[in-house]
Amino acid sequence: AQKVTQAQTEISVVEKEDVTLDCVYETRDTTYYLFWYKQPPSGELVFLIRRNSFDEQNEISGRYSWNFQKSTSSFNFTITASQVVDSAVYFCALSEAEIGSARQLTFGSGTQLTVLP
Amino acid sequence: KAGVTQTPRYLIKTRGQQVTLSCSPISGHRSVSWYQQTPGQGLQFLFEYFSETQRNKGNFPGRFSGRQFSNSRSEMNVSTLELGDSALYLCASSLSSSGGPISYEQYFGPGTRLTVT
Repeated sequence: AQKVTQAQTEISVVEKEDVTLDCVYETRDTTYYLFWYKQPPSGELVFLIRRNSFDEQNEISGRYSWNFQKSTSSFNFTITASQVVDSAVYFCALSEAEIGSARQLTFGSGTQLTVLP
Repeated sequence: KAGVTQTPRYLIKTRGQQVTLSCSPISGHRSVSWYQQTPGQGLQFLFEYFSETQRNKGNFPGRFSGRQFSNSRSEMNVSTLELGDSALYLCASSLSSSGGPISYEQYFGPGTRLTVT
């Protein structure tokens, strides 16, 4: 069965600090997809990134970057020069490609990030 | 393009009653998924619909049901409400073909916060 673990329940940083959110996953599939979502206090989950299991290239988007390592089953998310507006709960999620489960996201428990001014 | 919309945003019901929640997906999206979010269990997959057919179902009792209409709008129904059904119910839509997902990104609505007293 697939599983996503976000060991960091809460992280607090001061504005402009860099912060890394950890995500470790378990799956028996060779093809799978990993996601990060942001949930601000309003409650809506905001899609940030998707990564395919066969593409281990790291990705950078502005202040956001993602490090995907299949060898350690990790998909970590780094925010550089954090801002107060980054305060939210961040979820890592996994989707397997097999029919019947491909359109189902398994979420981690989330990491509450607080950026202090 | 308008995002996923959910109605109502807030709902208060009494134990034993039933409730119907509505979701309108992004135009062109044919797959609609439902998730339940609670502080104790986190985000859990309920079910997914495509072309008016349920394709995938999570581990929830039969009191939870759903349907999808020809315009891709979806409703979920919870009968005989229990206190533990109090949660944020999130709907997500994505592009998907009958042969498998075109895109694995799921875009979420703002949710319906259900309180059962």
